Amino acid sequence: ETGVTQSPTHLIKTRGQQVTLRCSSQSGHNTVSWYQQALGQGPQFIFQYYREEENGRGNFPPRFSGLQFPNYSSELNVNALELDDSALYLCASSLAGGGTEAFFGQGTRLTVV
Amino acid sequence: QQPVQSPQAVILREGEDAVINCSSSKALYSVHWYRQKHGEAPVFLMILLKGGEQKGHDKISASFNEKKQQSSLYLTASQLSYSGTYFCGTPTTDNNAGNMLTFGGGTRLMVKP
Repeated sequence: ETGVTQSPTHLIKTRGQQVTLRCSSQSGHNTVSWYQQALGQGPQFIFQYYREEENGRGNFPPRFSGLQFPNYSSELNVNALELDDSALYLCASSLAGGGTEAFFGQGTRLTVV
Repeated sequence: QQPVQSPQAVILREGEDAVINCSSSKALYSVHWYRQKHGEAPVFLMILLKGGEQKGHDKISASFNEKKQQSSLYLTASQLSYSGTYFCGTPTTDNNAGNMLTFGGGTRLMVKP
């Protein structure tokens, strides 16, 4: 077990709604990354937070936004949900800097109907 | 660009060996390997940071050929517990700053008794 916890584990939302997913990072880790994993595919990088600021972003639209709090926990917010947003959302915590291992939480399975 | 993994799937008998390859079209500074079992979070296996570096963990090892922009994961004398999907991840940024990863499509490995 990695010590990275995500909530909720499952969620069903209607198209057009907004959703907030939460992640508590492993003790001592100051960096949180979020990934979207569609069924049968590899995780896709959404963005990363370090010291409460967005540190990097993948190819996702602005309706995907996030926050990091002083205790390094993080939120992922998605506005105007679309059917294609249905996926497993993973957060990964790590130390800052290149070449460090990232530890994943168990994910939140989001279904948009 | 997403790294390319091969093969896409492999079925082994317990005790057999397997090799999973990961190739990138751009220069690599590091390669990260993860294994994900069905319904679970990706689990960190190892990072390779230097060209030519080889690492091992139990009977799973990996090599990194910076010149060829590729990495290989070697599973020796496979066990039932090795079953899962293996992903390689490469840094999204050119200078390897941070560990924001672009993952390959995965290799599904099934080990049968």
